[in-house]
Amino acid sequence: KAGVTQTPRYLIKTRGQQVTLSCSPISGHRSVSWYQQTPGQGLQFLFEYFSETQRNKGNFPGRFSGRQFSNSRSEMNVSTLELGDSALYLCASSFQGRSEKLFFGSGTQLSVL
Amino acid sequence: DQQVKQNSPSLSVQEGRISILNCDYTNSMFDYFLWYKKYPAEGPTFLISISSIKDKNEDGRFTVFLNKSAKHLSLHIVPSQPGDSAVYFCAARNTGNQFYFGTGTSLTVIP
Repeated sequence: KAGVTQTPRYLIKTRGQQVTLSCSPISGHRSVSWYQQTPGQGLQFLFEYFSETQRNKGNFPGRFSGRQFSNSRSEMNVSTLELGDSALYLCASSFQGRSEKLFFGSGTQLSVL
Repeated sequence: DQQVKQNSPSLSVQEGRISILNCDYTNSMFDYFLWYKKYPAEGPTFLISISSIKDKNEDGRFTVFLNKSAKHLSLHIVPSQPGDSAVYFCAARNTGNQFYFGTGTSLTVIP
């Protein structure tokens, strides 16, 4: 069974641009969560989607948005990029509505110049 | 608002000795706790978990202890091996199925 796949692995953008990251969950998993990892801040929760509906949202500005498609694949969009958005963005999937374990992808390393 | 805290950014241990990683949390509504291990350029991988109704869970060399009154979680690795060198994150789940992660502890096991 294929794991969680995130594309692209690396991305370089400049301030003011926007970016879209993609995540394909493990087959059969219906919940997809997004996290931002920066040095010293650990994993900060962005949002979670379950069956195409946003179920939870973290404390990030509205520039960060996401969606989930009927095949459970998810995208995350960041508009008007800022230098502080440089981070590793991780996607995690789980099977059940009440998750006991998250399976993570390898992440997308975003650098904003 | 860091609801899950790992106050030790790094830890060094001799091979064969015990590694103890600590984690504190503030929300008494957390009902499930997990430890993840992360190597550079890879996503975190699940290590071990514990329900809030238990105080200990063991899986091979890894044991997690939960002290609810102190809101404290610890991971014991015995014996430590060089391959255990990685960043370890503790995480907690609330009743709304949202997971909160700590800032991580970088473990180095010295051969």
